Amino acid sequence: GESVGLHLPTLSVQEGDNSIINCAYSNSASDYFIWYKQESGKGPQFIIDIRSNMDKRQGQRVTVLLNKTVKHLSLQIAATQPGDSAVYFCAENIRHAGGTSYGKLTFGQGTILTVHP
Amino acid sequence: GAVVSQHPSWVICKSGTSVKIECRSLDFQATTMFWYRQFPKQSLMLMATSNEGSKATYEQGVEKDKFLINHASLTLSTLTVTSAHPEDSSFYICSARDGRRRNTEAFFGQGTRLTVV
Repeated sequence: GESVGLHLPTLSVQEGDNSIINCAYSNSASDYFIWYKQESGKGPQFIIDIRSNMDKRQGQRVTVLLNKTVKHLSLQIAATQPGDSAVYFCAENIRHAGGTSYGKLTFGQGTILTVHP
Repeated sequence: GAVVSQHPSWVICKSGTSVKIECRSLDFQATTMFWYRQFPKQSLMLMATSNEGSKATYEQGVEKDKFLINHASLTLSTLTVTSAHPEDSSFYICSARDGRRRNTEAFFGQGTRLTVV
């Protein structure tokens, strides 16, 4: 069935390096994508979102890139810090005939980011 | 930002008993809330969509008689796990959308760790 998946389940980086976390999605009807950070024992924390009419969006130290041609989403974290260590999930909102059910999300499998001091 | 609070943060119950988890939107009205389940080292899986004043919509494979959802007010949804068994042990997470704002993401609670012994 339709799914959102990730290429790399784990990513280890040195403090100060840039991190790139990737996500592949298969549903071309998806029109809204979100990246979440989840720390151990906590709920997901919103990082950044992007709509399908955009291919890039920047936040504070984070950038999300969307390539609809190959159905690929990435999250770039600049100057990664130990506090960025967590599991990162991409999620998609699927658009259907009635519109987009914002908040009703399909999550990817997650990438564990470990930042070494 | 919008705040969603879950209670309790963790609960241990005996097999066969029922457990109620609360999800509250603290500073906005949530016409729609979502309940997810997350097993260890796995992604979040949507269980049901809870709409204020109406019956919840359950995802395929989720037993509505086992996972009772009540969304009686614009700030509170509850999930009751009835006749809990050890296989119901999981991390349950709710999210809520601000009904006054269009096209926005949902905000997540901090999750409830359920352990059935």
